Amino acid sequence: AQTVTQSQPEMSVQEAETVTLSCTYDTSENNYYLFWYKQPPSRQMILVIRQEAYKQQNATENRFSVNFQKAAKSFSLKISDSQLGDTAMYFCAFMKHTGNFNKFYFGSGTKLNVKP
Amino acid sequence: SAVISQKPSRDICQRGTSLTIQCQVDSQVTMMFWYRQQPGQSLTLIATANQGSEATYESGFVIDKFPISRPNLTFSTLTVSNMSPEDSSIYLCSVSGTGGSNQPQHFGDGTRLSIL
Repeated sequence: AQTVTQSQPEMSVQEAETVTLSCTYDTSENNYYLFWYKQPPSRQMILVIRQEAYKQQNATENRFSVNFQKAAKSFSLKISDSQLGDTAMYFCAFMKHTGNFNKFYFGSGTKLNVKP
Repeated sequence: SAVISQKPSRDICQRGTSLTIQCQVDSQVTMMFWYRQQPGQSLTLIATANQGSEATYESGFVIDKFPISRPNLTFSTLTVSNMSPEDSSIYLCSVSGTGGSNQPQHFGDGTRLSIL
């Protein structure tokens, strides 16, 4: 079975600074995908960034980037120039394709608080 | 990405009653997913609903407690039966993105359920 671990239940960062959220996972699969989702207080789950396991290059989306270490099964999220609107729960997710659909496994989440 | 509408957005229910949550998607999708997010917790997959067949339930979830309907390719319902305070959670409907096996899941805004 796949497991996703987020070891930081809660983090704080000053506005405009950089913060890194950690995520590790355990799998015997070779082909899979990794995602970071953001859930603000409005509770809508919003996709932040995705990474294909077969790609060595780390994904980047504007202020968001990942450090993907396949051998170590690590997938951290770096948020640069933090903004107040980044305050949210962040969930790391592992996805594998099983037959007819993609199955997701979510970490326990990290609550990020961006302070003015 | 798909637009997913859930109803109701929130409800407060009495112990022992049942509530049906509706999920409407603006495009046809093969699979729809139902998740539970207990307070302060991550997302747990309840079941996968494929149109025209019975839903597939994850370990720990049973059809008698969480009956699911999937009458067509754009709609699904989840019923939480004989509710108890332990069922107080956010329930999220989700679909997979189209366009390949690396697509993320898209989520509705969720239904916040409180049982007294």
